Amino acid sequence: EIAVTQSPATLSVSPGERATFSCGASQSVSSNLAWYQQRPGQAPRLLIYATTTRATGIPARFSGSGSGTEFTLTISSLQSEDFAVYYCQQYKTWPWTFGQGTKVEIK
Amino acid sequence: QVQLVESGGGVVQPGRSLRLSCAASGFTFSSHGIHWVRQAPGKGLEWVAVISFDGSKRYYADSVKGRFTIARDNSKNTVYLEMNSLRPEDTAVYYCAKGDSGWFGDWGQGTLVIVSS
Repeated sequence: EIAVTQSPATLSVSPGERATFSCGASQSVSSNLAWYQQRPGQAPRLLIYATTTRATGIPARFSGSGSGTEFTLTISSLQSEDFAVYYCQQYKTWPWTFGQGTKVEIK
Repeated sequence: QVQLVESGGGVVQPGRSLRLSCAASGFTFSSHGIHWVRQAPGKGLEWVAVISFDGSKRYYADSVKGRFTIARDNSKNTVYLEMNSLRPEDTAVYYCAKGDSGWFGDWGQGTLVIVSS
């Protein structure tokens, strides 16, 4: 099983600032990585798949990068609705696995 | 638009069984694989099981293998998760999600399962 690790666990950011968080895999997943946003009390929402491709309707301020074992999600200018928990997920090898999440909170 | 609606959650004693349902609409159900993903209270996401578009392939997480069974009825646009020998650590919100290429593009709102005596 591929272990997926996210850092930091919590990120404190002011509205309008840039937020960057990391996702690491215990072995290469190539570009088979997705990112999700989960707001309190809601289901996760797909943001990015195939490392860099934004899902339908996702604003351009969200971008993904990386390959192999190291990946990054960047939110260029945080909006109030972006304060949430973000998860990465690998789909290179069964079972699909998620990171433990990064909570983005208001600074 | 794609809609996935889970039902069947509730409180159940350890060792008992429960069946969850996921009713789908807004897409050609019989052409897509469906997953179950769960989230324990205050915790992260855990993939549980998947069934292929025609039901011929099923995969499970090790944590539920031998206890949970995923099935589908394409005539009813519904996927089921039969959960047997439930344990307290199975307590979670269970989401069904549509996905064929590895990622989960559409999710239901989830149904809460509490395993407690």
